[in-house]
Amino acid sequence: AQTVTQSQPEMSVQEAETVTLSCTYDTSESDYYLFWYKQPPSRQMILVIRQEAYKQQNATENRFSVNFQKAAKSFSLKISDSQLGDAAMYFCAYRISGNTPLVFGKGTRLSVIA
Amino acid sequence: NAGVMQNPRHLVRRRGQEARLRCSPMKGHSHVYWYRQLPEEGLKFMVYLQKENIIDESGMPKERFSAEFPKEGPSILRIQQVVRGDSAAYFCASSPRGTHEQYFGPGTRLTVT
Repeated sequence: AQTVTQSQPEMSVQEAETVTLSCTYDTSESDYYLFWYKQPPSRQMILVIRQEAYKQQNATENRFSVNFQKAAKSFSLKISDSQLGDAAMYFCAYRISGNTPLVFGKGTRLSVIA
Repeated sequence: NAGVMQNPRHLVRRRGQEARLRCSPMKGHSHVYWYRQLPEEGLKFMVYLQKENIIDESGMPKERFSAEFPKEGPSILRIQQVVRGDSAAYFCASSPRGTHEQYFGPGTRLTVT
């Protein structure tokens, strides 16, 4: 069974600094996708970034980037120049290719200190 | 293009009542997923439907829960005889055919008193 582990229940970062959120996963599949979702207090699930397993290049979306280590089954999220609006729960998620359900980690609560 | 719509946003039911949660996917999306989020937990998959078909219900509790996605109208997640443990946020996500992107609705928060 596929599992996603987020080992940091809570993290904090000073405004304008950089923070890295950890995620590991377990799978025997070779073709899959990895995601980071943000859930602010409104509870809306917002896709932050996506990585295809077959791509060696790490995905980047503005201040958000990932460090994808396929052999280690690791998928960390780096947030640069943190802003107050980045405060939220962050969920790492995985799915195999095609129309299949997402498997989520338990989340990391990120606080941003002004 | 409107996003995924869910209603109601908040639903309060007494123990033993029925809860009906609705999800209207994005226009052109024919795949719907339901997830449940318990307090302080990640989302857990419940059921995956296409129009008029249940594709995967491996995450659905065997009793009291059912889901449908009719040819016309929204997808419905139905919980009969609710219990306090059903209190959670229920999210719907939709996807177009043949892609890996899922778009989430705002969720329905069910409270059972």
